[in-house]
This record gives sequence, C-alpha cells and structure tokens, in this order.
Amino acid sequence: AQSVTQLDSHVSVSEGTPVLLRCNYSSSYSPSLFWYVQHPNKGLQLLLKYTSAATLVKGINGFEAEFKKSETSFHLTKPSAHMSDAAEYFCVVRGTGDYKLSFGAGTTVTVRA
Amino acid sequence: NAGVTQTPKFQVLKTGQSMTLQCAQDMNHNSMYWYRQDPGMGLRLIYYSASEGTTDKGEVPNGYNVSRLNKREFSLRLESAAPSQTSVYFCATGLGGPTGANVLTFGAGSRLTVL
Repeated sequence: AQSVTQLDSHVSVSEGTPVLLRCNYSSSYSPSLFWYVQHPNKGLQLLLKYTSAATLVKGINGFEAEFKKSETSFHLTKPSAHMSDAAEYFCVVRGTGDYKLSFGAGTTVTVRA
Repeated sequence: NAGVTQTPKFQVLKTGQSMTLQCAQDMNHNSMYWYRQDPGMGLRLIYYSASEGTTDKGEVPNGYNVSRLNKREFSLRLESAAPSQTSVYFCATGLGGPTGANVLTFGAGSRLTVL
C-alpha cells in the first residue's frame, strides 16, 4: 500500500518570493508521483508527474518538483509566486500495477500582495 | 470538447432520500473514478471502474453504489443519504495502465448537502 504526507496544511508567501510545498511518500514499489492544483470551486488539474524518468520534473506555470528516493520526498517549488498561484495543492502517489491513487490531505497556498 | 461532465452541480437532500450523481466523459478513457473531498482529508476513493463492465470498491464505499453504464458514463448512487455523506464529489477519468500512468482528468465537482 502507498501513502503520502503533505507536511504543511497551509503556506503563506509574498508575491514574487519562492514557494515550497513539501511531500513525503511511502510506497512498496517504484512509485508514480503527481502534483495536482485545485483553484476555488474548481476540479483538480495536473501540475506535473514523475514516472521514473528524470528526477527533476518541470510542470505548468513555472512549477517543478524533485524526486528524491533516499529521502522518499517529492517537494514542489516555484521560484517566484504569483497571485494566481493561490489554490490548494495535492501530492498524489500510485504504486506500480495499481489503478488506485492515494492523495495527500492538501496544502493551501495564500499569496500576499 | 467538454472533458468530464458531472450533474448536478449542487444538491440538497434530506436524510434517507436517494439520489444519483451522473458522470459522462468524452476523453475515450477506460478507467473512471468517484472521489469525495472533505476538508483536511484530501480526496478519498469511493469506487472505480478500470474498464467498461467492471467496478471495484475504493477506500470509502459504504453507503454508495455505482454503475458503469457504458464506456462514457459512470454513475454514483446514494440509496439512503446520511449527513456524513455531505461532501463534494468528483468524477475523474484516466488512461490507466503503465503508459497512461493514471493521469486523471477531473470534473468540476458536485456539492451535496444532506440535512
């Protein structure tokens, strides 16, 4: 079975400063890992995915994440936050050969002007 | 291209009433999913269908039933609604399997309140 832990339930940043969202995972097999974003009253949208290729993954809107097997982490970063980045972010893991995904509890990002 | 369409968007029920949430996709995806989203708990899988004609329980199936009517449609039924089923429900579809790596496309959600 697999699981994810998002280490921060809420992150507040100033516009133009870096964003870091932390995610640790647990998986018995080589995992696939994802970050999804949910803007208020919307469905979830894929930001990026890791599927055993390059460990540094680039996504949409300037986000990237680094897979670190030794630390079982998949942290999401963005160099410079924009007001439009205010949303909830979910880290997601899937184990090999399993259709089911496990979602983290989510991190809410607030961006201050 | 609508993607994943859920109906209704909002519904208020009384305890004990029944209702069906509808989901239709035009992505030609094999797998379909129903999740519920509750504050501080992320998304939890209720039921999923890996392909047309098959359905399986997820983490929280109690109180729900599903029907995979055809490749496009996957419905979620509450036979006797309870206040604990107040939630936002999301339908999602995915390619599934190693190639698709289960990237999901989500509907906009259905907000259900049970009084």
